[in-house]
Amino acid sequence: DQQVKQNSPSLSVQEGRISILNCDYTNSMFDYFLWYKKYPAEGPTFLISISSIKDKNEDGRFTVFLNKSAKHLSLHIVPSQPGDSAVYFCAANSPGAGSYQLTFGKGTKLSVIP
Amino acid sequence: EAQVTQNPRYLITVTGKKLTVTCSQNMNHEYMSWYRQDPGLGLRQIYYSMNVEVTDKGDVPEGYKVSRKEKRNFPLILESPSPNQTSLYFCASSRWVGGASGELFFGEGSRLTVL
Repeated sequence: DQQVKQNSPSLSVQEGRISILNCDYTNSMFDYFLWYKKYPAEGPTFLISISSIKDKNEDGRFTVFLNKSAKHLSLHIVPSQPGDSAVYFCAANSPGAGSYQLTFGKGTKLSVIP
Repeated sequence: EAQVTQNPRYLITVTGKKLTVTCSQNMNHEYMSWYRQDPGLGLRQIYYSMNVEVTDKGDVPEGYKVSRKEKRNFPLILESPSPNQTSLYFCASSRWVGGASGELFFGEGSRLTVL
């Protein structure tokens, strides 16, 4: 049972336009969400996070939106740059469970075309 | 420089030959974890450790062992590797503040092939 779903395996966007990566989750106990970015031959790196008490968090060109009623979050990248081409993983955690176990989605490969 | 270091980065081995993938972090993090990444399956957690001498199973622990004798080290042991353990492995660490989620720092990955 996949608790964190990224239904789009890949996404292509023109440079300068907006990239929107989506993520859905099923576990209502999740209360903290993160996005990680991964380049080939490197480990994932943290990008941005959001707590369930918020519905938006912004960091430069990156904004994460959380819709708790729909159990949906999205990552917006504006404007998209070729260096943003990578695999993006959505992850969720329920720290109230007394442990720290991130559940990851399968990833979305973003290609930004110059 | 803050980092998570894994070794080896690449390894080809044969079925049944015990191997260990080492992981070390220099950030004094309490929490450490192992993940494997497979095509179409994303990142799946194998084992994690909340602190020294405290380890627990993740989603896919079968065929793996871990130990946490020191805070900085968290080796992954494959006692009898099989071809289905061919994968890309990532070690990660985080500061654990008892209920709050910390950012996970990942190593560069270890690509393991079992023939």
